[in-house]
Amino acid sequence: KQEVTQIPAALSVPEGENLVLNCSFTDSAIYNLQWFRQDPGKGLTSLLLIQSSQREQTSGRLNASLDKSSGRSTLYIAASQPGDSATYLCARTSYDKVIFGPGTSLSVIP
Amino acid sequence: SAVISQKPSRDICQRGTSLTIQCQVDSQVTMMFWYRQQPGQSLTLIATANQGSEATYESGFVIDKFPISRPNLTFSTLTVSNLSPEDSSIYLCSVGRIGQSEQYFGPGTRLTVT
Repeated sequence: KQEVTQIPAALSVPEGENLVLNCSFTDSAIYNLQWFRQDPGKGLTSLLLIQSSQREQTSGRLNASLDKSSGRSTLYIAASQPGDSATYLCARTSYDKVIFGPGTSLSVIP
Repeated sequence: SAVISQKPSRDICQRGTSLTIQCQVDSQVTMMFWYRQQPGQSLTLIATANQGSEATYESGFVIDKFPISRPNLTFSTLTVSNLSPEDSSIYLCSVGRIGQSEQYFGPGTRLTVT
């Protein structure tokens, strides 16, 4: 069974801290790994997509890495801001299927 | 990329009624999907909306409860029938294209059943 897990389930940090969110997957034949952000009661915003042939992607203060051999991906957020407070979901994706992790709820305290 | 809109954005419905949610994409896409997100939970795939044929449902979801239409490559509807409070969730549509690995999500429809 293909599964995606995320730790921690929740995280609270003071503003300005760098932080790492972790994602693990059991399917070594991974297609791609996509990180999403979800604000309370809202839809999903795609943050970064790492294709199976890639090792990392960067966008602004965000950096996502992918290690297929260990079945892990990390999302690094630099210099966190209160506006970063949201739930972060990782997902194993292809054009025809998405398997989501349970998410990490991030709270950045001013 | 793809820009996806959903209608309605939210609704409050009475038990026993039905709600139809529309998903519109700004360009033709191969795959369209419907997800449910119950309170405090991650997303669960309901079904894949197939253009011109019956939707493909995931385990635990049936057509009588969640009828889906997809009349063309840019539009789909999901109906949640015979509503109960347990149907209170966010419903999201997403799209994908063959050959592209990214999925794009709509803004979601927040349903509350009273």
